Amino acid sequence: KNEVEQSPQNLTAQEGEFITINCSYSVGISALHWLQQHPGGGIVSLFMLSSGKKKHGRLIATINIQEKHSSLHITASHPRDSAVYICAVRDGGATNKLIFGTGTLLAVQP
Amino acid sequence: DTAVSQTPKYLVTQMGNDKSIKCEQNLGHDTMYWYKQDSKKFLKIMFSYNNKELIINETVPNRFSPKSPDKAHLNLHINSLELGDSAVYFCASSHWTGGFGGYTFGSGTRLTVV
Repeated sequence: KNEVEQSPQNLTAQEGEFITINCSYSVGISALHWLQQHPGGGIVSLFMLSSGKKKHGRLIATINIQEKHSSLHITASHPRDSAVYICAVRDGGATNKLIFGTGTLLAVQP
Repeated sequence: DTAVSQTPKYLVTQMGNDKSIKCEQNLGHDTMYWYKQDSKKFLKIMFSYNNKELIINETVPNRFSPKSPDKAHLNLHINSLELGDSAVYFCASSHWTGGFGGYTFGSGTRLTVV
């Protein structure tokens, strides 16, 4: 079992829909990252969270440390949001390494 | 003005060859990483350096050798390339600072071994 689990693995939405991607983890962490990767593209860090909630434009990320769970929400989704969204937790030990989820492939149809 | 730059972006080579991938960051970060993304798009840590000191060496074959000449550079040298080494390799950097510094990724190097 992966230390970081994401759901769903694949998600198809219609333009304008509200989207939620979930992430659960089983290890101690110092922070959680939400990353975005477009096909054939690089990796962009959307959020880094250690508690509470962050908002950037149409994107909202929340984390519940006690429940070891985080969600990424996209409001008013748009085809340009189509990408792989990856949850990654930052090791709470001495290494600072990221441990990645398997990603959620999002396709937003016009 | 690229923050984390990797070269080359694409690398096609034959089995048995030796190749290097270079990474440089101009963010003033003190920690750099190499991650591998396999054919299923799963990312996994390979190495990390903090202030030129090796922090993580995550069960990577000896054929892979990282080198950090200074805090701004972390290169990856691969000897005797094998078909299974084909993947996308991402360099990244961050501040060590108690784990709360942001991460920045390079654009990736797509290695194809034929």
